[in-house]
Amino acid sequence: GDQVKQSPSALSLQEGTNSALRCNFSIATTTVQWFLQNPRGSLMNLFYLVPGTKENGRLKSTFNSKESYSTLHIRDAQLEDSGTYFCAAEAQGGRALIFGTGTTVSVSP
Amino acid sequence: GALVYQYPRRTICKSGTSMRMECQAVGFQATSVAWYRQSPQKTFELIALSTVNSAIKYEQNFTQEKFPISHPNLSFSSMTVLNAYLEDRGLYLCGARDLDSYEQYFGPGTRLTVL
Repeated sequence: GDQVKQSPSALSLQEGTNSALRCNFSIATTTVQWFLQNPRGSLMNLFYLVPGTKENGRLKSTFNSKESYSTLHIRDAQLEDSGTYFCAAEAQGGRALIFGTGTTVSVSP
Repeated sequence: GALVYQYPRRTICKSGTSMRMECQAVGFQATSVAWYRQSPQKTFELIALSTVNSAIKYEQNFTQEKFPISHPNLSFSSMTVLNAYLEDRGLYLCGARDLDSYEQYFGPGTRLTVL
């Protein structure tokens, strides 16, 4: 619930544009994962982050543990980027992931 | 690569009956398996976390009596929804944590419909 706040809840993008999603954490977070869920429900792993930044193609993600947030940047959005993006935090103590509420991204021509 | 299979993908059961779902990690050893339920509004609820050689930890609002879990080895887990009712509907996802990389991989889910 409130432990991982994800924003925005929905995002409409035109092809070729850039955008960013954000998660703020109210718990001490050791690692962050980002997923993309397709309409059938399958969760695809995008990033697994310790504090720092990773990049994969048009996606880049940062996890700042000191300021308790993570971002996912989408560059040059394509139609296949549409779906629901979730961040998930692993709290100290190694418990299961705590999910954000998701960002539904729609990319249009 | 690391894959997680879930079976069945969809199931329909009558109110008051029970159904069992399975989770299989392939290509990696799973140090822990977490079961989640995703509501139609897409919010995730953690049901329980099962770690090898440790007791299964259930979250508030979920009990072993209602959602018994078996985790016999590093690659397989099953969960049963006992005496299912309408509020148990949803997509049940299992996430398995890789023993080596600590990254968590999810199966495609079992979608439960209760009539």
